[in-house]
Amino acid sequence: GQNIDQPTEMTATEGAIVQINCTYQTSGFNGLFWYQQHAGEAPTFLSYNVLDGLEEKGRFSSFLSRSKGYSYLLLKELQMKDSASYLCAVRDSNYQLIWGAGTKLIIKP
Amino acid sequence: ETGVTQTPRHLVMGMTNKKSLKCEQHLGHNAMYWYKQSAKKPLELMFVYNFKEQTENNSVPSRFSPECPNSSHLFLHLHTLQPEDSALYLCASSHESSSGGANEQFFGPGTRLTVL
Repeated sequence: GQNIDQPTEMTATEGAIVQINCTYQTSGFNGLFWYQQHAGEAPTFLSYNVLDGLEEKGRFSSFLSRSKGYSYLLLKELQMKDSASYLCAVRDSNYQLIWGAGTKLIIKP
Repeated sequence: ETGVTQTPRHLVMGMTNKKSLKCEQHLGHNAMYWYKQSAKKPLELMFVYNFKEQTENNSVPSRFSPECPNSSHLFLHLHTLQPEDSALYLCASSHESSSGGANEQFFGPGTRLTVL
């Protein structure tokens, strides 16, 4: 079966760096996505990786290793507004998104 | 209006009621999706419409019935639901093309459904 694993919850301190990991086992691979979802709101697109390596976008970076079935989202200079759930999703061979359950990130002052 | 809108934002219904959820996208996309989001569970894809044709139906119970009258509007008709159907129902849209690229999905704010 297809599976996306990510930690359920993480806690970090304002101003620090946090890395959220995602491992996947899917039938085919056509890209990996990270979304941010604040409580009670819609998920919003953060990043897309289809080739191995690091994609940097401001304070957020996303890394992919296809051979290891692994990705991480790196958040730098954490702000209180970064408290949210972070969803990892992989597009499979049928071009459908397979979603992880999300990682709830709690930022403390 | 911009982006993806959904109405109503909250809905409480009895198991014998019939109701409909509405989604509208203002992004010129050609694909629309219904998802179910339950607490601490992955997003569950329910239906996909690509160029107004339903291309995916992930074994969703028949008490959920989608309708896509045009590329901008999507409905989810509900009847004789069960309490376990209580969840957040999210609509999304994307631009699907054969040229590759992210084609990321844009989500609406969701309808919080409670079935009594």
